Amino acid sequence: AQSVSQHNHHVILSEAASLELGCNYSYGGTVNLFWYVQYPGQHLQLLLKYFSGDPLVKGIKGFEAEFIKSKFSFNLRKPSVQWSDTAEYFCAVNAPGYSSASKIIFGSGTRLSIRP
Amino acid sequence: DGGITQSPKYLFRKEGQNVTLSCEQNLNHDAMYWYRQDPGQGLRLIYYSQIVNDFQKGDIAEGYSVSREKKESFPLTVTSAQKNPTAFYLCASSIFSGSFHGELFFGEGSRLTVL
Repeated sequence: AQSVSQHNHHVILSEAASLELGCNYSYGGTVNLFWYVQYPGQHLQLLLKYFSGDPLVKGIKGFEAEFIKSKFSFNLRKPSVQWSDTAEYFCAVNAPGYSSASKIIFGSGTRLSIRP
Repeated sequence: DGGITQSPKYLFRKEGQNVTLSCEQNLNHDAMYWYRQDPGQGLRLIYYSQIVNDFQKGDIAEGYSVSREKKESFPLTVTSAQKNPTAFYLCASSIFSGSFHGELFFGEGSRLTVL
């Protein structure tokens, strides 16, 4: 079955620590990959996306993600987190060709808590 | 301003009643989606539509129904057949080109509580 896995359910870090959140997906072939963020009390919004080209993608607020096709992974990174990064982070994948109509599937999310 | 409008924001329903959640977008997007968000389960796809008068079931469509009569509107009905309807429902839209979906734009969500 098609799936997106985020293995870290809750991550707690101190300010200035480095961050890496894992995301793995179960499709082969061409994919579009996304990371979305949901700050407390706010809409879900796009953090970054990968469609093609350079597998290292830079997003808003200093976040980046690396697409590693051989590992079916799209991990999110930030070198130095801030208290304002406290939020829930969702990985999502669009993989056409695996069903009658392509759809965007989300992982279960990772809650990130930053200690000031 | 362009965006996605969901209503109502909060809704209470008695068991056995159907309820319809509204979703309107003025972004001129072709594709629209309904997701359900539950703690620890992320967003699960209920229904989606890539074009007017056409829609497909997502992963958890049982107990839900939709229509797509206009490009701007994609209402979701939570029927009495849905076993566990209390949840946070999110509507989204995106451009749709070829077989790929673009970035999703989300509404503020509707929180449904069944009493």
